[in-house]
Amino acid sequence: NAGVTQTPKFQVLKTGQSMTLQCAQDMNHNSMYWYRQDPGMGLRLIYYSASEGTTDKGEVPNGYNVSRLNKREFSLRLESAAPSQTSVYFCASSEGVAYNEQFFGPGTRLTVL
Amino acid sequence: AQKITQTQPGMFVQEKEAVTLDCTYDTSDPSYGLFWYKQPSSGEMIFLIYQGSYDQQNATEGRYSLNFQKARKSANLVISASQLGDSAMYFCAMREANTGNQFYFGTGTSLTVIP
Repeated sequence: NAGVTQTPKFQVLKTGQSMTLQCAQDMNHNSMYWYRQDPGMGLRLIYYSASEGTTDKGEVPNGYNVSRLNKREFSLRLESAAPSQTSVYFCASSEGVAYNEQFFGPGTRLTVL
Repeated sequence: AQKITQTQPGMFVQEKEAVTLDCTYDTSDPSYGLFWYKQPSSGEMIFLIYQGSYDQQNATEGRYSLNFQKARKSANLVISASQLGDSAMYFCAMREANTGNQFYFGTGTSLTVIP
């Protein structure tokens, strides 16, 4: 089992460019998440998907869109990147009950110039 | 209000000593889960330990234990016999049953183990 995989691992964009971060999990989890991590801020939830076909905004959704393509895959799109979106992005998945932990991908380090 | 509060930005501990990392939480949901994660300098998030709101006993996993004080809404992580490899960021997180799928994370505590 690969667990949660993310691509790419690193990315540099210019302001205004667009890109999609890909995430896939092979644990048959219903719920998937996108977080960003900035120094001193912990992890902040961008969007999550409780189940295939549903998505909901988290704490910091502005400037992002998501697609739950199927049960395995959950992508995050930046339509017009801004320097404020420079961050480390983590995808995670979990079963949909309170006692189940999240499993995290390795992260994507994104720099927007 | 913050759902999860970690008030110690940085902590130091001598190798082989025990250390407690503080976490307080805020919820009105009677059913919730509390989690601790470790993030070493390599960046990955590693799940350490879980405590359910209805669990009668404190959770333990090897050298990790969770000091759960429900009335005080605290869920402190205790690491016994610290090792150099324990140097990392530690995050406390909560998941409420009524919101089901959202996890709330604290800002983390940076632990440094001194040889």
